[in-house]
Amino acid sequence: QVQLVESGGGVVQPGRSLRLSCATSGFTFSTFAMHWVRQTPGKGLEWVAFIWSDGSNKHYANSVKGRFTISRDNSKNALYLQMNSLRVEDTAMYFCAGDPPRSGFAFDIWGQGTMVTVSS
Amino acid sequence: QSVLTQPPSASGTPGQRVTVSCSGSSSDIGSNTVNWYQQLPGTAPKLVIYLNTQRPSGVPDRFSGSKSGTSASLAISGLHPDDEADYYCAAWDDGLKSVIFGGGTKLTVL
Repeated sequence: QVQLVESGGGVVQPGRSLRLSCATSGFTFSTFAMHWVRQTPGKGLEWVAFIWSDGSNKHYANSVKGRFTISRDNSKNALYLQMNSLRVEDTAMYFCAGDPPRSGFAFDIWGQGTMVTVSS
Repeated sequence: QSVLTQPPSASGTPGQRVTVSCSGSSSDIGSNTVNWYQQLPGTAPKLVIYLNTQRPSGVPDRFSGSKSGTSASLAISGLHPDDEADYYCAAWDDGLKSVIFGGGTKLTVL
């Protein structure tokens, strides 16, 4: 069945780095655009970044631009998020989500999330 | 700060029909399609409507979506207790070059 499993979250000090991974299975990963979406506990959803199916194009939310980098390895069916210069306000649950072709940025499949806490 | 505007709460009794609104602008809803997500407590969001009006397989036909101009709506008919959840609208914004979400609407089934 379709699975997305995030990992790499944890507690980190402000200014440090963290790399999130999203392992996928059960669908044709190389045909899906992929996204990272985050949610501060008790608050709403915030889109973070997305990458085209072939990795040729990437977009970021203004709040993370220049600090976060999204990447993918289609040979490993995996998605990544490199997070540098972390801030307290980056504390959130981070979800990876898949966006099938011609769906209008519809996040059809989601992982269970990995928690990132930025605190001194 | 959410760019799409949703009411923070909505409610209805079992069997009723409720609607959740989502208001945007010409650069987001006015130019692109709208998707809706349901999020039960402690779980990941689930897509319930995509491309304004389409239901993914497995989503009951009690859920429907519509869009007009710079606004969209999610309607749930024949309300069930397990429809109690947070609902979010989302769309691509041509100006921000970002996906934007509404602030979410907490639906309570009384």
